[in-house]
Parts: sequence; structure tokens; C-alpha cells
Amino acid sequence: RKEVEQDPGPFNVPEGATVAFNCTYSNSASQSFFWYRQDCRKEPKLLMSVYSSGNEDGRFTAQLNRASQYISLLIRDSKLSDSATYLCAVNDAGGTSYGKLTFGQGTILTVHP
Amino acid sequence: ETGVTQTPRHLVMGMTNKKSLKCEQHLGHNAMYWYKQSAKKPLELMFVYNFKEQTENNSVPSRFSPECPNSSHLFLHLHTLQPEDSALYLCASRQREISYNEQFFGPGTRLTVL
Repeated sequence: RKEVEQDPGPFNVPEGATVAFNCTYSNSASQSFFWYRQDCRKEPKLLMSVYSSGNEDGRFTAQLNRASQYISLLIRDSKLSDSATYLCAVNDAGGTSYGKLTFGQGTILTVHP
Repeated sequence: ETGVTQTPRHLVMGMTNKKSLKCEQHLGHNAMYWYKQSAKKPLELMFVYNFKEQTENNSVPSRFSPECPNSSHLFLHLHTLQPEDSALYLCASRQREISYNEQFFGPGTRLTVL
């Protein structure tokens, strides 16, 4: 099983749609969780951190389910500019892996008019 | 504006060449990373440096040789590469002790091996 695994995608949605991505992780001791966004031919940039209580930033909502070991990202009212690859990242815990982020393979989102 | 810079941004090299990629972070972080991202593939972690010490090498071939002279600079020395090594090479930095600290990426070097 991969350490961090995402929905394979790609997701093609119309403007205004709501879309959700899931990401599962295998290390139950993982400490912190993130969603990154990567535009074509650019570097990944942090979209939002994912806290235990869930958190929201405008149209974006992130949830963490420790019992089932997954995180999710919900995008409401999709915009054309949301088209990108979304990467989940998990902070490993302990030993020499301490502080290392492990990334999922990414999910491609295309929002069309 | 990113606090992690990488040079060069683009590099074309032959299989017999030797070149180096440079990364510099201006964020006061104590951990730096090299990633490889090939077309339509996920980010692959190559090397991890904590406080200038290499703490992880993800089975990277010896034709890639990292160097971390101080906590702000990271190099990736390249020699006798193969065409399949063509990819985007990303450097990143982070303050490792605080779990919710963001990992910042540089803009990457797009490498083409002929």
C-alpha cells in the first residue's frame, strides 16, 4: 500500500460545481496534513493545512478523519482558475523521517465553462 | 514571492556532461529537500538534509550527488545522466520541528538530457 494515496482523477467539472477529493495515508502516527496546489509547469504551493477539527478558507473546506486515516478537500462554486493538480501531503512522525512530508500522486482538476 | 530560489531554471545537457543545480533558501529553515517530478508522475523525494546532514537518500542513483555546505544552500551535482533523468527538479525547505510548518518549494529546474 502506498504511504499516501489520492483519488486518481482526472476530475472534469463545470464552473459552479462542487467537487471533493480524498486522500488516504498509511501511517497512523502521522502528525500533520496539508493540501498543495500545483499549476502546470510550476512548483507546488500550499493551499491549506488540515486540522483535526476541520477548517474552511472561503470556497475550500478541508477535513481530517484520523480513525479512517484520510483527509478530504471540498471545493464549492468551482472557478476556471481552480484548474490545477491538487496534492495531499502528510507529515511523518518519528525517527529519521521526522519532519518529512510525503506527497500523494496528485489529482488533476479541470473546470470548464 | 518564494523564499526559495533555484538556478538554473532550465538546463539542457548531454549524457557525458557534468552540471550542478543550486538551491538557496532565505527563510531560516533547517531542513532542505530535493524532489524529482517526471511528466505525469508524482513527486519523488530524492534527498533530505536536516541541519546540513543528509538523513535520507531514497535509493537515488550515484549519478546524482547532493551537497549541503550550510543550512541555506543545497546543490545537486549531475554527471553521466540518462535521458530518463529528464524532469523537473524541485528544491524545498522547511522548519522541521513544528509539525504544521509549511514546506516551501523553489520554482524548479527543468532538466533535459539529450
